[in-house]
Amino acid sequence: NAGVTQTPKFQVLKTGQSMTLQCAQDMNHEYMSWYRQDPGMGLRLIHYSVGAGITDQGEVPNGYNVSRSTTEDFPLRLLSAAPSQTSVYFCASRVSGGPVLAQFFGPGTRLTVL
Amino acid sequence: AQKVTQAQTEISVVEKEDVTLDCVYETRDTTYYLFWYKQPPSGELVFLIRRNSFDEQNEISGRYSWNFQKSTSSFNFTITASQVVDSAVYFCALSEEQETSGSRLTFGEGTQLTVNP
Repeated sequence: NAGVTQTPKFQVLKTGQSMTLQCAQDMNHEYMSWYRQDPGMGLRLIHYSVGAGITDQGEVPNGYNVSRSTTEDFPLRLLSAAPSQTSVYFCASRVSGGPVLAQFFGPGTRLTVL
Repeated sequence: AQKVTQAQTEISVVEKEDVTLDCVYETRDTTYYLFWYKQPPSGELVFLIRRNSFDEQNEISGRYSWNFQKSTSSFNFTITASQVVDSAVYFCALSEEQETSGSRLTFGEGTQLTVNP
């Protein structure tokens, strides 16, 4: 199993540009989520999904869009990039239903918005 | 609302010292889950341990041990005989039970541990 994969690893955008961060998992996990990591703030939840066709907002959803058409993929779209979205983005997944189990994280995407 | 506090921003020790990373949490739920993750300099997040709120037994895994105390809402992490490879940022996280809330992980701010040779 490849686990959780993310592409790209690094990205530089100009203010106003849009882009999609890709996330895929091959563990058949129903639950997937996106976090952003900023210095001194830990990780904060952006959006999550409990299964194909079902998504919901997390703590910091503004400026981001998600969709979940398959169990495997959970892309994160930046609609109009802003410098405040400079961050490291992590995708995670876990089994859903029953007791809450550990989430497994992808390697991260480091995004810089100029 | 749930909250996790890791008051130690940075800790520096010399190799072979024992070190304890503190984690204090707040939640109104009676069922919840606590986690520790390690983030080495390479940047990935590595899962270390999960504990549910009904299991207060301490856990030991090699040089790692965890002390869960509901009475003080703490879930502290001790590394015995630290090694340079333990240098990393360590995150404590809390998840409530409800699937409808997304069972979101609330992370602490992280503790940067540096182990010097």
